[in-house]
Amino acid sequence: AAGVIQSPRHLIKEKRETATLKCYPIPRHDTVYWYQQGPGQDPQFLISFYEKMQSDKGSIPDRFSAQQFSDYHSELNMSSLELGDSALYFCASSEQGRFDTDTQYFGPGTRLTVL
Amino acid sequence: AQSVSQHNHHVILSEAASLELGCNYSYGGTVNLFWYVQYPGQHLQLLLKYFSGDPLVKGIKGFEAEFIKSKFSFNLRKPSVQWSDTAEYFCAVNRKAGGATNKLIFGTGTLLAVQP
Repeated sequence: AAGVIQSPRHLIKEKRETATLKCYPIPRHDTVYWYQQGPGQDPQFLISFYEKMQSDKGSIPDRFSAQQFSDYHSELNMSSLELGDSALYFCASSEQGRFDTDTQYFGPGTRLTVL
Repeated sequence: AQSVSQHNHHVILSEAASLELGCNYSYGGTVNLFWYVQYPGQHLQLLLKYFSGDPLVKGIKGFEAEFIKSKFSFNLRKPSVQWSDTAEYFCAVNRKAGGATNKLIFGTGTLLAVQP
């Protein structure tokens, strides 16, 4: 079965640079969630989109922005990168309209290293 | 605010031992409950989930979990672990609501090491 695709899988950036992470949800899934997992930590919710509109926002820095496109893929844009942004960034997708029984399926993640 | 507690941070077992990982949540409303597993260097995979109905749910790879509403608990169990179960296990909840705000709240995870 098709899974969530994330690219790139690994990314190395320097401080103050920008990064763009991409997420392609499972076909027919129209809700996308972004999570950040620091070393040895649990995943923390950043932001979510439903039908191309932002649906919820968590602990996402103002330096980060995201959007969902017409084909339902999503991009997380990160600017003025800091050392503390080094983490694993997961994208998850879920099925349209089934919010009360929403099951999120996770992608492989993008490991961002900021030097 | 919602929160999830996993009491065991590190668990070491021998193969064939039984496993129980604790998970308690704090939330005033109705929730959905999940257990995810993260094998070394891999992404989160869904083990099992509870939405409603029978509080004893069975998942993949022989895992099961029991929802006890009065205790706000959703403990994960496996009668006999294998070396391949070595991984980190996360309990997670989201609220059962009609809105599009179903972010998952994760526990801090339990690292399970199974010795052959």
